[in-house]
Amino acid sequence: QKEVEQDPGPLSVPEGAIVSLNCTYSNSAFQYFMWYRQYSRKGPELLMYTYSSGNKEDGRFTAQVDKSSKYISLFIRDSQPSDSATYLCAMSRTGGFKTIFGAGTRLFVKA
Amino acid sequence: GAVVSQHPSRVICKSGTSVKIECRSLDFQATTMFWYRQFPKKSLMLMATSNEGSKATYEQGVEKDKFLINHASLTLSTLTVTSAHPEDSSFYICSARVTESSYNSPLHFGNGTRLTVT
Repeated sequence: QKEVEQDPGPLSVPEGAIVSLNCTYSNSAFQYFMWYRQYSRKGPELLMYTYSSGNKEDGRFTAQVDKSSKYISLFIRDSQPSDSATYLCAMSRTGGFKTIFGAGTRLFVKA
Repeated sequence: GAVVSQHPSRVICKSGTSVKIECRSLDFQATTMFWYRQFPKKSLMLMATSNEGSKATYEQGVEKDKFLINHASLTLSTLTVTSAHPEDSSFYICSARVTESSYNSPLHFGNGTRLTVT
């Protein structure tokens, strides 16, 4: 079993839709959770960074962490064609050094 | 802030030659930098952890003599792909954390280097 599971998609939605991206994990020691956006042929860009359980909002993006279910989500409201990219979830332990990445979900937002 | 610059963005080389990729932290110091490799439509594969002033730590299965890492200063790490072969063609990305932050601060990535070996 992988430490982090993420559906690779692709996920295709119409412009303006609410997008839900998810990851599950198996290691209960993970405390720090991140979402990265990666455009084709570019490096990943940090979108959201959260600690432990709860919600965090930044503009059209909301990150949710449910540690009891070992489940994290990224919601994108009013999705735009420019949101078309691969979204990677990532997580790490307290005092841990390595960041563990999901496989990435490819998102296409159609105009 | 926390900008990581990687150069070159793209390189084509002939089989048997060596290629050097630079990774710089522009507005922060990074004791540790990380080198990843990414295959098409795949996630990031950690190759090695680059430590300033000491030897790099390589992940299992990564050839140390093939992928030479040097972290000469708090703002520069280099990855040299030696005697490159077509199977080394890939997308290489570096990342770093701000040194003053904790080990759990997020990684910041460069824009990657696409290596093509002919």
